[in-house]
Amino acid sequence: NAGVMQNPRHLVRRRGQEARLRCSPMKGHSHVYWYRQLPEEGLKFMVYLQKENIIDESGMPKERFSAEFPKEGPSILRIQQVVRGDSAAYFCASSPPGGRYGYTFGSGTRLTVV
Amino acid sequence: AQSVTQLGSHVSVSEGALVLLRCNYSSSVPPYLFWYVQYPNQGLQLLLKYTSAATLVKGINGFEAEFKKSETSFHLTKPSAHMSDAAEYFCAVDTNAGNMLTFGGGTRLMVKP
Repeated sequence: NAGVMQNPRHLVRRRGQEARLRCSPMKGHSHVYWYRQLPEEGLKFMVYLQKENIIDESGMPKERFSAEFPKEGPSILRIQQVVRGDSAAYFCASSPPGGRYGYTFGSGTRLTVV
Repeated sequence: AQSVTQLGSHVSVSEGALVLLRCNYSSSVPPYLFWYVQYPNQGLQLLLKYTSAATLVKGINGFEAEFKKSETSFHLTKPSAHMSDAAEYFCAVDTNAGNMLTFGGGTRLMVKP
């Protein structure tokens, strides 16, 4: 039973390019969460999705960031026109319905903007 | 709104010594509490969780934590540190909204030989 799969593990983008981060939840998990970890900081919640629905996006920056979790395929976190301040580790977590019993995290995507 | 405070961003212990990592939370409703460990360049691994059953929770790798409502604390302990315990530890709280975990700032544990 594979865990939460994130790809790529490392992503380098030039300023102004787009970054697409993918997350496949654990089998049987229908809830996906995205967190960002800035250097030397804890994890900050970004967005919570269920299939085809954004449930809570209170932690998403208002511009350039978007997330989706389509009926088929992985969840995608998309960052348009990246800037140096977007450099961070982005973690995806998934949980079964109910969600309160601890999430399973992926290994993260480390985005570097040059 | 809930919040989590981890006292001490860096903790250093000698191998074989007691490990104590502190976590205090604030929540307006009974919380679910978690400890995660993060090894360098890896994701977060669940160590243990409190979900309103027994107040003393045992986790993996010999770690345990005690929920103390009167102190709003959920400190993580291990009787004897091992070199392989060196990592970053995060305390997190989830209230019954169930939408997200709120993390503390993390504590980096260093183990000296």
